Amino acid sequence: GNSVTQMEGPVTLSEEAFLTINCTYTATGYPSLFWYVQYPGEGLQLLLKATKADDKGSNKGFEATYRKETTSFHLEKGSVQVSDSAVYFCALISDNYGQNFVFGPGTRLSVLP
Amino acid sequence: GAVVSQHPSRVICKSGTSVKIECRSLDFQATTMFWYRQFPKQSLMLMATSNEGSKATYEQGVEKDKFLINHASLTLSTLTVTSAHPEDSSFYICSALRGGRDEQFFGPGTRLTVL
Repeated sequence: GNSVTQMEGPVTLSEEAFLTINCTYTATGYPSLFWYVQYPGEGLQLLLKATKADDKGSNKGFEATYRKETTSFHLEKGSVQVSDSAVYFCALISDNYGQNFVFGPGTRLSVLP
Repeated sequence: GAVVSQHPSRVICKSGTSVKIECRSLDFQATTMFWYRQFPKQSLMLMATSNEGSKATYEQGVEKDKFLINHASLTLSTLTVTSAHPEDSSFYICSALRGGRDEQFFGPGTRLTVL
């Protein structure tokens, strides 16, 4: 079946540090890949997405590139802020799995001032 | 952008009572809505897929008689937790599918606490 694996957290960084959160996936067909962010006590917000190989999704300084050859969709940001502290979920939708998301376990990021 | 709301945002109830959670797509029609459950510090787990006008499709291990889902209109799906127990305490999140395969939007979630 389809699955998403993320690096285990929590990740603690100082403000302005470089962020990478690894995400790899297993899926049949050609999935669309997503990063969602969940701030404390809130629901999920779409951060960025990519729908085909080599696409780069970007938003609010975050970016991730759909790498089919390595089945990866790593999230990066060059300079994190305290306000980026949240839980980040990598997810996919696959043609072979209906329209519902398969989520990774989430990675908690804490950015210290 | 598309907005999905959930009501209530928080609910506390006594063991044995039933609780209804509403999920509404405010500015678009959603033929399909999804219900997820999130335990503390864990990922979302799909509970069921709700299609307007038909019975919901439940994931393996989810009791359909306990988690009643009704998708009565193109903008509203409800999840009723029947005879709630403390182990049902969780964060319940819905999402609504708009149009093509990637246009899915999440509600803000409902935190259920069963005493």
